[in-house]
Amino acid sequence: DTAVSQTPKYLVTQMGNDKSIKCEQNLGHDTMYWYKQDSKKFLKIMFSYNNKELIINETVPNRFSPKSPDKAHLNLHINSLELGDSAVYFCASSNGLSRNIQYFGAGTRLSVL
Amino acid sequence: GENVEQHPSTLSVQEGDSAVIKCTYSDSASNYFPWYKQELGKRPQLIIDIRSNVGEKKDQRIAVTLNKTAKHFSLHITETQPEDSAVYFCAAPSGSARQLTFGSGTQLTVLP
Repeated sequence: DTAVSQTPKYLVTQMGNDKSIKCEQNLGHDTMYWYKQDSKKFLKIMFSYNNKELIINETVPNRFSPKSPDKAHLNLHINSLELGDSAVYFCASSNGLSRNIQYFGAGTRLSVL
Repeated sequence: GENVEQHPSTLSVQEGDSAVIKCTYSDSASNYFPWYKQELGKRPQLIIDIRSNVGEKKDQRIAVTLNKTAKHFSLHITETQPEDSAVYFCAAPSGSARQLTFGSGTQLTVLP
């Protein structure tokens, strides 16, 4: 059973398009995250939700909009995709924020052409 | 906010040798220091973590040491094996929400 699952695994799209990535966790965690990992492997947090409430919103263009319909789901919608958005996006979840293990999804490799 | 610096960025060792990766942090309130391993094309996974009330923690061939005074912590891998080859990330909590800030990663290559 996959603990944190995200779809799709690969996403290839043209500049200017709008796309969504979905994430679901079955661990009963109350906190979910989106990270962006660029080609240099830097893992940068984008957003975090705790009990469906946005608690972390790093400096991310407002073309990126997270949505958490419930504690088990955190989706990421991206408008007007740009070349620089190409990266691997990881969803993660944890129980609480700071002192607990984060479990990552398998990642979504986004390629913007 | 927290600044987590990780060194070296790349590390090559011969199989059987030890590997050490070091991280420094800036927020003296940080009290939890995990290490994640990311194999090529895979997700990051926690391999070991340490809380600020201890100075060292060991799990088989992996150990982490913490020096709160100097604000640095290190990952030690002994008797390295080819399957230890991966990118390793340290992290520390920061910000008002105490979210994890990750180091820049260390690509460890174990040469057979």
